[in-house]
Amino acid sequence: KAGVTQTPRYLIKTRGQQVTLSCSPISGHRSVSWYQQTPGQGLQFLFEYFSETQRNKGNFPGRFSGRQFSNSRSEMNVSTLELGDSALYLCASSLLAGEGTGELFFGEGSRLTVL
Amino acid sequence: AQSVTQLGSHVSVSEGALVLLRCNYSSSVPPYLFWYVQYPNQGLQLLLKYTSAATLVKGINGFEAEFKKSETSFHLTKPSAHMSDAAEYFCAVSVDSGTYKYIFGTGTRLKVLA
Repeated sequence: KAGVTQTPRYLIKTRGQQVTLSCSPISGHRSVSWYQQTPGQGLQFLFEYFSETQRNKGNFPGRFSGRQFSNSRSEMNVSTLELGDSALYLCASSLLAGEGTGELFFGEGSRLTVL
Repeated sequence: AQSVTQLGSHVSVSEGALVLLRCNYSSSVPPYLFWYVQYPNQGLQLLLKYTSAATLVKGINGFEAEFKKSETSFHLTKPSAHMSDAAEYFCAVSVDSGTYKYIFGTGTRLKVLA
């Protein structure tokens, strides 16, 4: 069974630009979460979606947004990029809590560099 | 609020030696506790999870962890380190059982010396 697929894997942007990252979850998984990973802060929770609805949001500014489509695929967008947004963005999919075991299945991430 | 502390951002062990990676969580018992491993340029992979069924949890690749409520700890161990164990390890706790908002520790990078 295919794993979580994230595109693009690598991208370079300049300050002030915006970026959209895509995530295709494992077939049958309806929950998609996003995390930002940086060397100094570790993994920070961005948001979680289930059935096209945002169920939880982390402590990030409004420049960070996301959405989920009816096929469970998800996108996240960062507008007005700042140098500090350079990070590995990880997407994870899961069965709905209560149906599964609480495990997150991670993609390989999208590495964003902001110049 | 839940929090996770991993003591030691870098740990070095000799091949064949005991691996001990420490994780402490905040006092309220979370629904789930996890250890994940991340190899270079890859995402995170689940090593093991605690879901209150048993305090000693066995995972993949010979790793295990013991949940100790009195110490609020969930340390990861492996009796004999292998070169392939070199990676970064993350402890995580769930915020509640209804969502997937997890709190991760800052990670411990394990180096295995030949």
